[in-house]
Amino acid sequence: NAGVTQTPKFRILKIGQSMTLQCTQDMNHNYMYWYRQDPGMGLKLIYYSVGAGITDKGEVPNGYNVSRSTTEDFPLRLELAAPSQTSVYFCASSYDTTRETQYFGPGTRLLVL
Amino acid sequence: AQKVTQAQTEISVVEKEDVTLDCVYETRDTTYYLFWYKQPPSGELVFLIRRNSFDEQNEISGRYSWNFQKSTSSFNFTITASQVVDSAVYFCALSAFSGNTGKLIFGQGTTLQVKP
Repeated sequence: NAGVTQTPKFRILKIGQSMTLQCTQDMNHNYMYWYRQDPGMGLKLIYYSVGAGITDKGEVPNGYNVSRSTTEDFPLRLELAAPSQTSVYFCASSYDTTRETQYFGPGTRLLVL
Repeated sequence: AQKVTQAQTEISVVEKEDVTLDCVYETRDTTYYLFWYKQPPSGELVFLIRRNSFDEQNEISGRYSWNFQKSTSSFNFTITASQVVDSAVYFCALSAFSGNTGKLIFGQGTTLQVKP
């Protein structure tokens, strides 16, 4: 049972480059989330999705885009990478909102130079 | 506004000591959920416990116990007889019902170092 998987594990980007962080879950969860964790800090919500075709902004959405074409996948797109986007990115999923536990992927460490 | 405060940034104990990690939360919602997650040095986030606002019973799971007190808006986590493997960053998080988004509000985390 894979749970939530994320690729890549680590990536170095140059300023201005773009990339997509992949997230897949095999638990048939409706809700999926993207968080970022800056050093010494808790996690902050970037975007979330309540189902295929439905996405919405979280606390810190600027510089990111998402799509949700299937229940399983929730990719996060970084356009024009900036040093401020250096962070660890976590994808999470839950069956339902608020009541249910969110299960996290292993994270993607991104360094923008 | 919703907020989670973990006032202890770092705690260092010697193995076998008991240690309590504090968590204080703020919310105006009457229905909410509280969570604890563990982040070991490998970086993943491991779910430990979920508690809803209507259940104030304390919970014990092996060496772990949680004390939920609505009167003081606290949800503290105690590790009994700590072990080196308990060394990690521990996050307390709040999920409130308003907006129905399930957004988790995280505290800044407490780094626990257990020395042999």
